[in-house]
Order: sequence, then structure tokens, then C-alpha cells
Amino acid sequence: DAGVIQSPRHEVTEMGQEVTLRCKPISGHNSLFWYRQTMMRGLELLIYFNNNVPIDDSGMPEDRFSAKMPNASFSTLKIQPSEPRDSAVYFCASSFTGATNQPQHFGDGTRLSIL
Amino acid sequence: GQQVMQIPQYQHVQEGEDFTTYCNSSTTLSNIQWYKQRPGGHPVFLIQLVKSGEVKKQKRLTFQFGEAKKNSSLHITATQTTDVGTYFCALDNAGNMLTFGGGTRLMVKP
Repeated sequence: DAGVIQSPRHEVTEMGQEVTLRCKPISGHNSLFWYRQTMMRGLELLIYFNNNVPIDDSGMPEDRFSAKMPNASFSTLKIQPSEPRDSAVYFCASSFTGATNQPQHFGDGTRLSIL
Repeated sequence: GQQVMQIPQYQHVQEGEDFTTYCNSSTTLSNIQWYKQRPGGHPVFLIQLVKSGEVKKQKRLTFQFGEAKKNSSLHITATQTTDVGTYFCALDNAGNMLTFGGGTRLMVKP
């Protein structure tokens, strides 16, 4: 079975540029999560979608960050304009959410470096 | 929101020694999940604990949920080099979101 697929795996770009990260969740999962991981702040939840609808975006750092989920099989996280402090590993995770919390399945992540 | 403290942050052990990481919450939990992240990898789900006082085992790993459902522990018996990685507890928030602890990074000397 294919897991969560993220692209690109690595991204290096100059500050001020627009960055778009992509995620394909596991087929049949109805919840999708975007996380950011840094040494200083650990693993932080940025935004949570359920059935393609954003449920909680309180973790999105600022207006430069935006996320969309146009359908059940695709989501994007966009940073515009990017800044060096956005450098981190960004993970997408999906799960099937029913009556109880189910395990989250993580993609391999996108390692983002903003110069 | 929920606060979670995980200790220790780092642990060096000699191969064959035991290892334990602890997770403490400021509030009573409905359940708790544990994940492992290998260096350069992504978090991988290990187990979920739901019942007060629950103990679950996976080979050399023993997971425990406190009686008050405010704390949990992961114990590894006789560590191996394959156990290297960071172990995270994750608290179940309302609305199906998880709050991850800071993780315990385990290093094993062969």
C-alpha cells in the first residue's frame, strides 16, 4: 500500500521566493495534518483538515503560510514570501478519523532550506 | 491547551542496557499514542493506550498508562542499536488532533 506521499523531498530556495509543498494522503483517510519540525520547537501542528475542510489552523505561524485541500487526495502548503526562519522539515500526515483517534501516518517530509 | 512534558530529552546507553522515557500531562487524557522517529526519518506509530493502568508489550518494548491517565512511560529492555531514534508521546486533544511531546532521543553505543 502506498503511504503518504510528499513532494519535493528537498527544497532550497532564496528568501522572498514562494514555496509550495505537496501531499497525497493515504486513500480512504479523511483527516490530513501538516506539521513543522525544528530542533528548537520540536514537532508543531500547523493545520488540520477533516473531509477536505480546514478544522484548526491555529498553528499556522502567520499570514505568509496558507494551506489548501481541493480534494480528498491532494493538499498543498504554501509559504509566500519565504524567510530563513521557515527552514525546517515539513511533514504531512493522514489518518482515518471516526469515533476514536486513529494513528497518524506520516510522509517522508520535505526538508526546506531558505537562504 | 494541553501541556505535555517528556523526559529525559536525551539518553545515551550502552547496548544491552535498559531505557525508559516518561511523558507527563497537565490534564487527564482520554488516550495517548507513542511514535518513533529514526534519524533522518519520519514519526512512525508504535501504540495507543486507552485504559487507566493499561500495560502493553511489543517484544522488548513495554508501554504503560498511569492509573490517573495523566502520565505514561515507554521502557525498552536490553537496548539494541536498532532502537536508536527519538521517541515521542502524543496526547489526544479534542477534535482528533495530537499534541506531541518534545521527544526523548535515544543513542545506543555498540
